[in-house]
Amino acid sequence: NAGVTQTPKFRILKIGQSMTLQCTQDMNHNYMYWYRQDPGMGLKLIYYSVGAGITDKGEVPNGYNVSRSTTEDFPLRLELAAPSQTSVYFCASSQGQGFNEQFFGPGTRLTVL
Amino acid sequence: GQNIDQPTEMTATEGAIVQINCTYQTSGFNGLFWYQQHAGEAPTFLSYNVLDGLEEKGRFSSFLSRSKGYSYLLLKELQMKDSASYLCAVGGGATNKLIFGTGTLLAVQP
Repeated sequence: NAGVTQTPKFRILKIGQSMTLQCTQDMNHNYMYWYRQDPGMGLKLIYYSVGAGITDKGEVPNGYNVSRSTTEDFPLRLELAAPSQTSVYFCASSQGQGFNEQFFGPGTRLTVL
Repeated sequence: GQNIDQPTEMTATEGAIVQINCTYQTSGFNGLFWYQQHAGEAPTFLSYNVLDGLEEKGRFSSFLSRSKGYSYLLLKELQMKDSASYLCAVGGGATNKLIFGTGTLLAVQP
């Protein structure tokens, strides 16, 4: 199993551009999450999903959108990129409700100039 | 609201024991999680506590006191590879969402 995979690994955007960060998991997990991590900071939850067709906002959803059309994929869309969105983005998945370990992807390092 | 506090940095010696503390104030509580994150890498799961007391997993142990809003991670027989950030997080439950603290950067010295 590949686990959680994310593409791209690195990206530089200009202010106002848009892009989609891809996330795929092959563990048949129902729950998936998007976090951002700024230098020296902890992880902040952007959006999460408890199953295909179901998404909800986390702590910092402004400027982002998500969709969940399949169990495997949970893309994160940035519209009108801003310098404040410069960060490392991690996707994670877990089996479901309760006290389940979250498995993280390797991250996407995004710079907005 | 949610507030999770950890020390920013700690230094310890190879072979020694180190305790990393975490205090939390949250509107709801399901469980307390610890993750390890090496520089430039993704976080990896270490442990979780749901009930008060100590959970032991090899060289790592985690303790929880729900009445005090307090947890600690104990690392024994420190190795150089334990140099990393240790993230305390509160969450679990119906959505298994996690709220993370800012992390404690541990440097293990020879």
